[in-house]
Amino acid sequence: TQLLEQSPQFLSIQEGENLTVYCNSSSVFSSLQWYRQEPGEGPVLLVTVVTGGEVKKLKRLTFQFGDARKDSSLHITAAQPGDTGLYLCAANNDMRFGAGTRLTVKP
Amino acid sequence: GAGVSQSPSNKVTEKGKDVELRCDPISGHTALYWYRQSLGQGLEFLIYFQGNSAPDKSGLPSDRFSAERTGGSVSTLTIQRTQQEDSAVYLCASSLVPPDRGYEQYFGPGTRLTVT
Repeated sequence: TQLLEQSPQFLSIQEGENLTVYCNSSSVFSSLQWYRQEPGEGPVLLVTVVTGGEVKKLKRLTFQFGDARKDSSLHITAAQPGDTGLYLCAANNDMRFGAGTRLTVKP
Repeated sequence: GAGVSQSPSNKVTEKGKDVELRCDPISGHTALYWYRQSLGQGLEFLIYFQGNSAPDKSGLPSDRFSAERTGGSVSTLTIQRTQQEDSAVYLCASSLVPPDRGYEQYFGPGTRLTVT
């Protein structure tokens, strides 16, 4: 079983600030996914990264897959209150998720 | 098309009672997953069904928990002799292909279980 460690566990910032959250493991993944969960709802897929070193952008969100495919980061530029939620990473070949980063963006 | 649906949305039960939680996956999705999420926590994997294969039950916390999937579609998660620590949101997800083939999980809204 691959263990996914996410950091930080909690993050509270002001609107307009930038932030980066991380997903790390000692295992190599063939692909990794990021999900966002808003209160009272199920997680929703944001992106899947497949290639080592890959960078994907989704509006103000930038996802990077490490060269060794053991880690990934999510960077949010100019955070907005609508970005508030629980950010989860998951490895493609395992049904287990990281514990998540709980982000709060204050107006 | 319809997404993953779960019922009931909320369930309050007394300690010691049995409960059944239902999941209707997206039509055509071969894989179905159950997770548990305690307040403020991440997702805890419970069980995984893939087609007609034997389910992966490695995440079930005790023998009080069981699940079945009838006809490759609807799934029921049963918790016997509920305990207060079973209180959580139970999430169901489905995907078109198995995890090792690159997949997106589509989640239902969850069932909030409260054991009093």
